[in-house]
Amino acid sequence: KNQVEQSPQSLIILEGKNCTLQCNYTVSPFSNLRWYKQDTGRGPVSLTIMTFSENTKSNGRYTATLDADTKQSSLHITASQLSDSASYICVVSASGGSYIPTFGRGTSLIVHP
Amino acid sequence: ETGVTQTPRHLVMGMTNKKSLKCEQHLGHNAMYWYKQSAKKPLELMFVYSLEERVENNSVPSRFSPECPNSSHLFLHLHTLQPEDSALYLCASSQEWGGRSDTQYFGPGTRLTVL
Repeated sequence: KNQVEQSPQSLIILEGKNCTLQCNYTVSPFSNLRWYKQDTGRGPVSLTIMTFSENTKSNGRYTATLDADTKQSSLHITASQLSDSASYICVVSASGGSYIPTFGRGTSLIVHP
Repeated sequence: ETGVTQTPRHLVMGMTNKKSLKCEQHLGHNAMYWYKQSAKKPLELMFVYSLEERVENNSVPSRFSPECPNSSHLFLHLHTLQPEDSALYLCASSQEWGGRSDTQYFGPGTRLTVL
């Protein structure tokens, strides 16, 4: 069964600090992995997308990594800002057959001043 | 804004009511989606439309009925819902369904409460 596990479930950090969110998956065969940011009361917004051959993708202060061998991904946030407070969702899609993506439960990040 | 709008933003309905959720995308995309987001659960894909044809129905109860009259509009018709159907319903669109590096753009969602 395809699964996506994210950790930690929630995280509180001080403004200006860095943090790393984790995503482990069992989706196979792998097609791509996306990280989304979801602000409270809004729909998710795509941060990065990586296919099998990519192991790093950056979007401003957000850097995602992918290890397809260990089926792990991380999202690193540098110099956090108050506006980074949100839920971060890891999504993995399979190839061949069903394209239905598998969503993680998300990591809730709170950045305090 | 993402180019995907949803109305209404909030909806309260009784179990015997009939209501509809509306989604419109202004991005020229060919695929549209309905998702359900319940508290402390992952997003659940409900329906997928590609070029106005339904291509996925992810085991959704028949009390949810989607309609896609054209590539820019998507509706979710609701009838005889249960309290456990209370959730945030998100609409999304993408250039195509199943694209290897396709990105989905989400609307703000409709917060539904079933009494």
